[in-house]
Amino acid sequence: EAGVAQSPRYKIIEKRQSVAFWCNPISGHATLYWYQQILGQGPKLLIQFQNNGVVDDSQLPKDRFSAERLKGVDSTLKIQPAKLEDSAVYLCATSYNRGNTEAFFGQGTRLTVV
Amino acid sequence: AQSVTQLDSHVSVSEGTPVLLRCNYSSSYSPSLFWYVQHPNKGLQLLLKYTSAATLVKGINGFEAEFKKSETSFHLTKPSAHMSDAAEYFCVVSDSPQAGTALIFGKGTTLSVSS
Repeated sequence: EAGVAQSPRYKIIEKRQSVAFWCNPISGHATLYWYQQILGQGPKLLIQFQNNGVVDDSQLPKDRFSAERLKGVDSTLKIQPAKLEDSAVYLCATSYNRGNTEAFFGQGTRLTVV
Repeated sequence: AQSVTQLDSHVSVSEGTPVLLRCNYSSSYSPSLFWYVQHPNKGLQLLLKYTSAATLVKGINGFEAEFKKSETSFHLTKPSAHMSDAAEYFCVVSDSPQAGTALIFGKGTTLSVSS
C-alpha cells in the first residue's frame, strides 16, 4: 500500500514570499490532517479535513495560512506571506475515517524562511 | 480539552537495559492513546495504540505500554534497548474515536542508547 506522499521535501524562501505544500493521501482515507512541527517540539495540529470539509481549523493562522482539499483527495497548504517563525516541518497525515484515529504520516516538507 | 505531558525530554540508556518513557494525559472522555516514533529524517511511525480494549498494549519492536486510568498514565517500556531504538518518541492522545478528533502530541522524549 502506498503511503502518504508529500512534496516538496525541502523548501527555502525569503520572508514575505509565498509557498505551497502538497499532500496526496492513502487511497480511501477520508480524514486528512496538516501538522506543523517546529524543531525540538511535538507536531501541532493546523487543520483537519473530513473528505473535503474542514472539521477543525482553530489553530490555523488564517491571516497567512490557507488550506484546501480538492474533491476530498489531495490537499494543499499555503503560506502567504511567510514569516521567519514559520520555519518548521509541515506534516500531512491521513486516516481511514473519523472512527479510526490511527493516522499515517508523510515524510513532511521542511520549510526554511530566511 | 485533552493534553499530554511527557515527563522526560531526554532519556539515556545502555544497550540491553530496560527503557521507560513516561507519559501522563488529560482527557474529558475515554481517550485513545498512542505512541509514535520518529527517526532522524524519517516520518512518524505508529508504535502502538490503546483504544479501550486491553490495558496492556503490545506494539512493534518489543515495545509495550500500560494504560492506567487511576494514574492517567500511559508509559512506554521495553525490556532491553537496542541501538536502533535511538529516536524521538511522542505520546499522543485523542479524545473521541467516534468523533474522529485530532491527535494531540506531547513535546517528545529523545531516547539515546549507548553501547
